[in-house]
Amino acid sequence: QTVVTQEPSLTVSPGGTVTLTCASNTGAVTSGYYANWFQQKPGQAPRPLIYSTSNKHSWTPARFSGSLLGGKAALTLSGVQPEDEADYYCLLYYGGTWVFGGGTKLTV
Amino acid sequence: QIQLVQSGAEVKRPGASVKVSCKASGYTFSTYDMHWVRQAPGQRLEWMGWINVDNGNTKYSQKFQDRVTITRDTSASTFYMELSSLRFEDTAVYYCARQDAFDIWGQGTMVTVSS
Repeated sequence: QTVVTQEPSLTVSPGGTVTLTCASNTGAVTSGYYANWFQQKPGQAPRPLIYSTSNKHSWTPARFSGSLLGGKAALTLSGVQPEDEADYYCLLYYGGTWVFGGGTKLTV
Repeated sequence: QIQLVQSGAEVKRPGASVKVSCKASGYTFSTYDMHWVRQAPGQRLEWMGWINVDNGNTKYSQKFQDRVTITRDTSASTFYMELSSLRFEDTAVYYCARQDAFDIWGQGTMVTVSS
């Protein structure tokens, strides 16, 4: 069974920097996993932020960036704003199917 | 504007089936495949499956393989997700999401399984 693991929770101060990670139990995450990142606030649908590891949507604030870090997919928020407090989910591609991570609750 | 509009909330008995629709507008229907994702109350997002809009081929999560069917009606620009043999734990919000980096999402459909 494929398992995608994220930090359950992280806390960051306003204006600070935080990195969320996304690991796969099948091994190192590479560009071939086409990592996606989503932000979700209570009662709302997920909002896409990053696709294919590091590409931003037109609406993604510049302070969000995606990368590969130490065999994991990573989402870095630089200059965190209070409105960034939310749940963040990664999504990885496994050759025809996709698997979400468990989500990270980010507290600002 | 580009929209995915889903059908309304449903209440079903255990063992029943539910069919949720997702009507696409504002773009060329045949251009993008469609995913279905669900989220139980207070739980993580779960990818359920997707459909190739051109040929109707589907791929499902192993978890839902035996109970889910995703279809599309090109004449109506609408996608469907049917889940059978419903259980209490299928109570969730069900979303459709467009296959272009999951860029556009439906508003969600709440399905409640209750006796």
